[in-house]
Amino acid sequence: SQTIHQWPATLVQPVGSPLSLECTVEGTSNPNLYWYRQAAGRGLQLLFYSVGIGQISSEVPQNLSASRPQDRQFILSSKKLLLSDSGFYLCAWSAPRGGLGETQYFGPGTRLLVL
Amino acid sequence: GQNIDQPTEMTATEGAIVQINCTYQTSGFNGLFWYQQHAGEAPTFLSYNVLDGLEEKGRFSSFLSRSKGYSYLLLKELQMKDSASYLCAVSPNTDKLIFGTGTRLQVFP
Repeated sequence: SQTIHQWPATLVQPVGSPLSLECTVEGTSNPNLYWYRQAAGRGLQLLFYSVGIGQISSEVPQNLSASRPQDRQFILSSKKLLLSDSGFYLCAWSAPRGGLGETQYFGPGTRLLVL
Repeated sequence: GQNIDQPTEMTATEGAIVQINCTYQTSGFNGLFWYQQHAGEAPTFLSYNVLDGLEEKGRFSSFLSRSKGYSYLLLKELQMKDSASYLCAVSPNTDKLIFGTGTRLQVFP
């Protein structure tokens, strides 16, 4: 069966500090991978998605970046955090492109607080 | 543009039935999803509809009308543990999902 891991679970960082959040998936090959952010009381905002190693699509211009160095690893980074970067960061995976919409399955999330 | 609307909050009583509506306008359609999200946790998949009609899964059912851009999630025999946010999401293509802001359901004894 497939599992998705995220770490850290919780992070408190000062404004201007760097960020690195990691997501790994087990039990599947060539998954589509996604990073979402959910601000308090808000909906899920898609930040990045990837359909393969080194292939990253950015949905929202911002000071965040994403990388996919291995097939089942997805990393979210920032060089300098802003207060507005606080939120709940969720990684998700889905099976590779098929004929219909693919279900996305979410990791446990990272709660980031920027002070 | 892409737009998904659902009520912000709903309340219901334990043992009752509740229907959560979702309307959407998207540039394409490859299916509609419902997710459940308990406070502080990640969303978990509930249902997927791509054809018109009703899909039943135990106490939960989901309905889709593509011509009306409308779906609902029906929860029967409500339990306290059903208190959560319910997210409606549409796949305009096979790579991405567009999420609504979610409906927060509170179940009272």
